Amino acid sequence: AQKVTQAQTEISVVEKEDVTLDCVYETRDTTYYLFWYKQPPSGELVFLIRRNSFDEQNEISGRYSWNFQKSTSSFNFTITASQVVDSAVYFCALTPPSYGKLTFGQGTILTVHP
Amino acid sequence: DTAVSQTPKYLVTQMGNDKSIKCEQNLGHDTMYWYKQDSKKFLKIMFSYNNKELIINETVPNRFSPKSPDKAHLNLHINSLELGDSAVYFCASSPRDGSYNEQFFGPGTRLTVL
Repeated sequence: AQKVTQAQTEISVVEKEDVTLDCVYETRDTTYYLFWYKQPPSGELVFLIRRNSFDEQNEISGRYSWNFQKSTSSFNFTITASQVVDSAVYFCALTPPSYGKLTFGQGTILTVHP
Repeated sequence: DTAVSQTPKYLVTQMGNDKSIKCEQNLGHDTMYWYKQDSKKFLKIMFSYNNKELIINETVPNRFSPKSPDKAHLNLHINSLELGDSAVYFCASSPRDGSYNEQFFGPGTRLTVL
């Protein structure tokens, strides 16, 4: 069985602060895929990043960066210099190798205050 | 030019009624999904179809019946609606039944059962 845990239910920061969203996963598969999705107040789900289990390189995209550590089964997400528009619910998710069944974490509500 | 569309966006109905939610994707994808997001924002997969064939059927009451007339459409029919069915239902699609591929989500349908 697969499981994703996002221990931080809610995070509140002031604009320009850096913030890290934690994600820990459990799986018995040796091959798997990890994702982050963003759900802004408007409600849609926006894909942010995909990572496979063999690629432990960290990734940076603008103010966003991701740290994948297989040894600790973690896939953390950092927003640098946060902005009000970053306010959203962020979901970490995991799929097995054979089919696209996304298992989501509980989500972290991020509020960025001006 | 919406990639994944759902109708209706909002659905308010009485307990015991039967209702349908429609989903269409114009991305040429082979695989489509239904997810349920409850009031606590928890997202869980319900069904998945690959080329009109059911491949994922989670533990969902049999009052829920997905139907895929062609690979661009996946509808969700719900019989005898209950209060607990109130949620946001998301349709998604991906290029093939492969866990590597990101899933593109529709805007969601907010179902309220009174």
